[in-house]
Amino acid sequence: QSALTQPASVSGSPGQSITISCTGTSSDVGGYNYVSWYQQHPGKAPKLMIYEVSNRPSGVSNRFSGSKSGNTASLTISGLQAEDEADYYCSSYTSSSTLLFGTGTKVTVL
Amino acid sequence: QITLKESGPTLVKPTQTLTLTCTFSGFSLSTSGVGVGWIRQPPGKALEWLALIYWDDDKRYSPSLKSRLTITKDTSKNQVVLTMTNMDPVDTATYYCALKPYSSFDYWGQGTLVTVSS
Repeated sequence: QSALTQPASVSGSPGQSITISCTGTSSDVGGYNYVSWYQQHPGKAPKLMIYEVSNRPSGVSNRFSGSKSGNTASLTISGLQAEDEADYYCSSYTSSSTLLFGTGTKVTVL
Repeated sequence: QITLKESGPTLVKPTQTLTLTCTFSGFSLSTSGVGVGWIRQPPGKALEWLALIYWDDDKRYSPSLKSRLTITKDTSKNQVVLTMTNMDPVDTATYYCALKPYSSFDYWGQGTLVTVSS
């Protein structure tokens, strides 16, 4: 079971939109609508931002949105803000009834 | 208010067994569908899912670490315990426990850094 593939880094200017991809297989991302996204600031615990592909927990800004096409899930951050600078991880349920995290993406606000 | 907190040794020697305890409040591990998981993160590296235990005592393990992991729960004490055998320096990481009410880890502990060194 290999980690889900994410770009190592993505950057954007304040106000812009960025998209982070999360690529798996038909046995994980492509097979289930159980993809989650987590935000992690340095030295802090991860925070759930998106669950079940596109749902936002209460309290999470609507600037964060999720989607999926085939074996690739995506997290889009619109209206990028300085506070969005963090590491982002995707996660998926798998056909083995286990979980997988992504390789992580560092978002930089220029 | 839901809280989780990890506890255990900060330093273990190679080949030793690590025992970590997750003590939680604000929910019951007897509630249908609920699970508590362990996730670790080596310094500067990505998150890695380790194990998960559900309300009905169903247990799931990372295939790559399955032979070394055991997860148990004590519902009366609101605790989940993870043991990892044969510790190695590459197991140095921050270990998190987290609540999985349904499909995602909605609540996380603060994490505990475990260093493996002689």
